Amino acid sequence: QQQVKQSPQSLIVQKGGISIINCAYENTAFDYFPWYQQFPGKGPALLIAIRPDVSEKKEGRFTISFNKSAKQFSLHIMDSQPGDSATYFCAARAGSARQLTFGSGTQLTVLP
Amino acid sequence: DGGITQSPKYLFRKEGQNVTLSCEQNLNHDAMYWYRQDPGQGLRLIYYSQIVNDFQKGDIAEGYSVSREKKESFPLTVTSAQKNPTAFYLCASSMQTGTRYEQYFGPGTRLTVT
Repeated sequence: QQQVKQSPQSLIVQKGGISIINCAYENTAFDYFPWYQQFPGKGPALLIAIRPDVSEKKEGRFTISFNKSAKQFSLHIMDSQPGDSATYFCAARAGSARQLTFGSGTQLTVLP
Repeated sequence: DGGITQSPKYLFRKEGQNVTLSCEQNLNHDAMYWYRQDPGQGLRLIYYSQIVNDFQKGDIAEGYSVSREKKESFPLTVTSAQKNPTAFYLCASSMQTGTRYEQYFGPGTRLTVT
């Protein structure tokens, strides 16, 4: 019940296209859903996060869509650029828990 | 300039030797974490600490040890008991203010044991 299932494992998108990464969870106590971006050899960086009281959050080209009833959330990268090529991790946290539960990661490649 | 520092960036050790990875943060965060990442894999939690002088095992604590003597520091020792120690190790810290929670990662240490 603590798992966060992330798909796809890898994704190849043409420059200018939309990249979509999906995550699903079972634990209804999760109330915080961040996305992290990791470049090779670097630590993950917090990209954007959402709480279940909203269905969408947008920051620049990055949008989180949240579907509480389906227990799913997704990251959309609009106008994908080669510089967006990285591994993306979704995560979730329940209430006062002090740790995040991470998805398995998606390796995104944006072709020039 | 606030953040999390990990040193060294690359570390090489012979099999059978213990090695300690450093993690320091100046973000005044209460909680700190250690994760292990293998090539093409996700993040696995080794240990975490919510307060000085207290820490809990994560999912893969066997062969590792930690200490939390200061709020700013959370060193990880990879012992000779860890069967496959070669990996990328990530330290993180988190803050919670009311309902706001954020977790940040350091740059990582790549450990190679031969």
